[in-house]
Amino acid sequence: DQQVKQNSPSLSVQEGRISILNCDYTNSMFDYFLWYKKYPAEGPTFLISISSIKDKNEDGRFTVFLNKSAKHLSLHIVPSQPGDSAVYFCAARGFNDYKLSFGAGTTVTVRA
Amino acid sequence: GAVVSQHPSRVICKSGTSVKIECRSLDFQATTMFWYRQFPKQSLMLMATSNEGSKATYEQGVEKDKFLINHASLTLSTLTVTSAHPEDSSFYICSASGQGPYYGYTFGSGTRLTVV
Repeated sequence: DQQVKQNSPSLSVQEGRISILNCDYTNSMFDYFLWYKKYPAEGPTFLISISSIKDKNEDGRFTVFLNKSAKHLSLHIVPSQPGDSAVYFCAARGFNDYKLSFGAGTTVTVRA
Repeated sequence: GAVVSQHPSRVICKSGTSVKIECRSLDFQATTMFWYRQFPKQSLMLMATSNEGSKATYEQGVEKDKFLINHASLTLSTLTVTSAHPEDSSFYICSASGQGPYYGYTFGSGTRLTVV
């Protein structure tokens, strides 16, 4: 049972514009959310996270928004750069639970 | 920052043989290590969680006799795929976690296993 869902398998965006990646979750016990970036044949690298006590966290070009009532979070990348082309995974964990549940990923392609 | 080294990055083995994948935390003590498997265009599926010095906890549906996990030290965990078959071909990734609420979740670079 997929508890973290990324319903858009791919996203194409022009360089300089905003990329918006969406993630939905079903488990109301999740209280910490992370976004990872992954290149082919490499392990995921951490991008940004957000705790359930916040609704927004920003780090440079990356901003994550959390809507707990809707069980939805999104990652905004602005401006998008060619190096942002990768697969982005949303992940979540529950309180006192160190296991992460991952979404299926969204492949972002930034066009020049 | 935290670095996790995974080796080998790529391995091809014959059906019926065993393959060992190593995961090392280079600059921190990994009290917990996680092993994932990723099929093409799919999510990372957690296979098992291992704590140093104790037996691994396997996720439902993962054969513990087929995927042997050893976490004998705070810096090394190994995954051995025993009697490998073509359906075991996949991308295996480890992740290490140290102390603190986030410290850890540092991923290795993954191992592409191909069983022929």
